[in-house]
Amino acid sequence: VQLAQSGGEVKQPGESLNISCKASGYKFADYWIAWVRQKPGKGLEWMGIIYPGDSDARYSPSFQGRVTFSADKSVTTAYLHWNGLQASDTAMYYCARLRIKNYAGSGSFAYWGLGTLITVSS
Amino acid sequence: IVLTQSPGTLSLSPGERATLSCTASQSINSDYLAWYQQKPGQAPRLLIYGGSRRATDMPVRFSASGSGTAYTLTISSLEPEDFAVYYCHHCGSLPQTFGPGTKVEIK
Repeated sequence: VQLAQSGGEVKQPGESLNISCKASGYKFADYWIAWVRQKPGKGLEWMGIIYPGDSDARYSPSFQGRVTFSADKSVTTAYLHWNGLQASDTAMYYCARLRIKNYAGSGSFAYWGLGTLITVSS
Repeated sequence: IVLTQSPGTLSLSPGERATLSCTASQSINSDYLAWYQQKPGQAPRLLIYGGSRRATDMPVRFSASGSGTAYTLTISSLEPEDFAVYYCHHCGSLPQTFGPGTKVEIK
């Protein structure tokens, strides 16, 4: 199992952005993928989770309306999208896969990408 | 569900025993409590799942227990590579949450 994340980005406030998480080594559609934020020098924050099989996405209340998750089974890739970045979005973003198949999106994350560093600055 | 971890920082020497606590704001199913280790510049790594089950390839010096609202991660004898930040994770009903982390540093 591998999760290959896209490269770091430097963006200006208000810009849009997609980052990606390409999965390999397993059946992409069968396992939930989560997104986790880590601000510089801070802890982990659970942003939400998406089931690539049907693109069912669940968001943390802290991130609802600020980001959008999507998944493309044809290229086994999950995406995290912002419509209008803010300086406070500066952080490392990780994608992570559930350890086991689960219909409810619950469970621990056994596989992690290396992270994508997003810097938002004018 | 809010997770609280204590202490914030634990200063110990190699060979010593480390005991890290994670407290939930309400009772959770221990099947949905996990622990991760994160070293500087690296992604988190799953240590413990299901409250007490070691993840693949995790050394036996790592153990965990707990139920209800109180959970503990124990490192029986610290190795140099164990100095890192440890996070507990409520991975049950959505939204999931992480604790703020405990940093285990070399004394």
